[in-house]
Amino acid sequence: QVQLQESGPGLVKPSETLSLTCTVSGDSISSYYWSWIRQPPGKGLEWIGEIYYNGATKYNPSLKSRVTISVDTSKNQFSLKVSSVTPADTALYYCARHSGRSFPVWGQGTLVTVSS
Amino acid sequence: QSALTQPPSASGSPGQSVTISCTGTSSDIGDYNYVSWYQQHPGKAPKLMIYDVTKRPSGVPDRFSGSKSANTASLTVSGLQAEDEADYYCTSFVGDNNYVFGTGTRVTVL
Repeated sequence: QVQLQESGPGLVKPSETLSLTCTVSGDSISSYYWSWIRQPPGKGLEWIGEIYYNGATKYNPSLKSRVTISVDTSKNQFSLKVSSVTPADTALYYCARHSGRSFPVWGQGTLVTVSS
Repeated sequence: QSALTQPPSASGSPGQSVTISCTGTSSDIGDYNYVSWYQQHPGKAPKLMIYDVTKRPSGVPDRFSGSKSANTASLTVSGLQAEDEADYYCTSFVGDNNYVFGTGTRVTVL
């Protein structure tokens, strides 16, 4: 059974870069599309972007200038970087696996707080 | 791309039905049959309940059903149970491998 686990610093200073990694177990990362989705505390979900195992990416236009998603097939991991963060980037960050045009598998989420 | 519009709240008594709407535009819901619905209990990750407008993943009770008309999708929960109390989010494919989520609806079982 596929499982996803997010990891990375829980606290990032304003103007710095947020970096998270999603480790995939129980399945090969080379079989699907993979996304990052975030949820500010007490608010709704926002799709950040997706990556395919060959490195092809698509990003939410509202975040595109600050977001980079990459994949490491040798480690069965994919990663997220958000640059120039502000407190508005404080959120629970989820990684998820696609199936068609939906997200049937999610990680447990990791909270990232942007604060000095 | 703007968030899809959902009512902030909905409620019903046990055994009743509740329907949640998700309104978009002709560029998202109206243009693609790729609407999915997610249930989120407090402190938990979202769970896929409906995909491709009307399909249920294995293990999701048939009390949950989805539909779409023009630019609005709907999720109906029939025979409400206490465990259905949660937040529900819709999402739609919007082309060019992009997605948009709804604003979310909190369902309360009275």
